[in-house]
Amino acid sequence: GAVVSQHPSRVICKSGTSVKIECRSLDFQATTMFWYRQFPKQSLMLMATSNEGSKATYEQGVEKDKFLINHASLTLSTLTVTSAHPEDSSFYICSAIRAETFTDTQYFGPGTRLTVL
Amino acid sequence: AQKITQTQPGMFVQEKEAVTLDCTYDTSDPSYGLFWYKQPSSGEMIFLIYQGSYDQQNATEGRYSLNFQKARKSANLVISASQLGDSAMYFCARNTGNQFYFGTGTSLTVIP
Repeated sequence: GAVVSQHPSRVICKSGTSVKIECRSLDFQATTMFWYRQFPKQSLMLMATSNEGSKATYEQGVEKDKFLINHASLTLSTLTVTSAHPEDSSFYICSAIRAETFTDTQYFGPGTRLTVL
Repeated sequence: AQKITQTQPGMFVQEKEAVTLDCTYDTSDPSYGLFWYKQPSSGEMIFLIYQGSYDQQNATEGRYSLNFQKARKSANLVISASQLGDSAMYFCARNTGNQFYFGTGTSLTVIP
């Protein structure tokens, strides 16, 4: 299979603190990982594309200084929400593409529900 | 525009019946992939099925099949013999390389 994990699954934090979310590909190497944000009853909104060993590519309107992405290895990407505010509360979900596949299928993690008080 | 359209915000199906979830897309790319994902209430996006734009045959994966009509730019998902566990949101997506475009989703409810 193609298993992607995310940690933590849920996090509650105070306004002004930073939160780190980890995304791991457990049984494959992922040259590219993606970070999405999803609001209730809406589709996924791509935040950024993360390539191993290089800077992430952010979508228009996404603050790179607020949402720090690091892709340090072929199996791990992290998203850090800095100085979180209540409007950052959302469902964050990552995905990864297997390095050796032809179809570019994205395999998703289980998501992280962030609540900022 | 790289638009993916799912016109059915909500669908109901009787258990054991088949159901078709609609998806149309807009692209000028010659090569692309089409995907369907299932998102249960837990939130995880589960990959269901893939169809390449050059594939001659419709993709099938167990109870899932993709009705691919390239000229119409449609990629409908057919779920046969619906089960209660099929109740979830279903998203259609299209890609060109690493760039993915998602539809707005269809909420499917299977009625016992």
